[in-house]
Amino acid sequence: QSVLTQPPSVSGAPGQRVTISCTGSSSNTGAGYDVHWYQQLPGTAPKLLIYGNNNRPSGVPDRFSGSKSGTSASLAITGLQAEDEADYYCQSYAGSLSGWVFGGGTKLTVL
Amino acid sequence: QLQLQESGPGLVKPSETLSLTCTVSGGSISSSYYWGWIRQPPGEGLEWIANIYHSGNTYYNPSLRSRVTISVDTSKKQFSLNLTSVTAADTAIYYCASTVGSYYAYWGRGTLVTVSS
Repeated sequence: QSVLTQPPSVSGAPGQRVTISCTGSSSNTGAGYDVHWYQQLPGTAPKLLIYGNNNRPSGVPDRFSGSKSGTSASLAITGLQAEDEADYYCQSYAGSLSGWVFGGGTKLTVL
Repeated sequence: QLQLQESGPGLVKPSETLSLTCTVSGGSISSSYYWGWIRQPPGEGLEWIANIYHSGNTYYNPSLRSRVTISVDTSKKQFSLNLTSVTAADTAIYYCASTVGSYYAYWGRGTLVTVSS
């Protein structure tokens, strides 16, 4: 059971927009801690996709965007492409005793 | 660009201790990063294990705290993970990574550790 809750799977056709939700609690995301997102392509290590709720590292296309409100956050992907098919994880912080926390991951299928 | 590389045995016997090392290159291990370990059982999601600051402050996943030790050797530019009394449930890909703030900006490629007799 992951601390942050994500849907197990989402899907969309090429060119469409999909969103992935990430829900935490008052101990983590609701305490004001930022949410970050990672993309994990098959057989590879996770890669930072969004940091600080809505910031993209250099090289990440602007088709990817993030938002956060209260205890929940969302990752949006517009203009869906075949290469976006991957697992996506959200991550936050839950204080010095509980540390860093992840969502269970969402598998994105491009139809 | 910071680079991290995991090393250690790929097979560990049940009840023994899993020991992994992460070697850091392309930057200083004494810089303002947290150095950490994250694991991923086959077909499952990511689980944070532990972080250490270059000063030596440590942070552990409460569910693993009793079995985990993380340490840093700044002279060798390495940090390490020890996980005791392993079972099959500890079979996973183990990633070392470093944080900028609260997010993991840099990741190693990961190393598969199988617990089996």
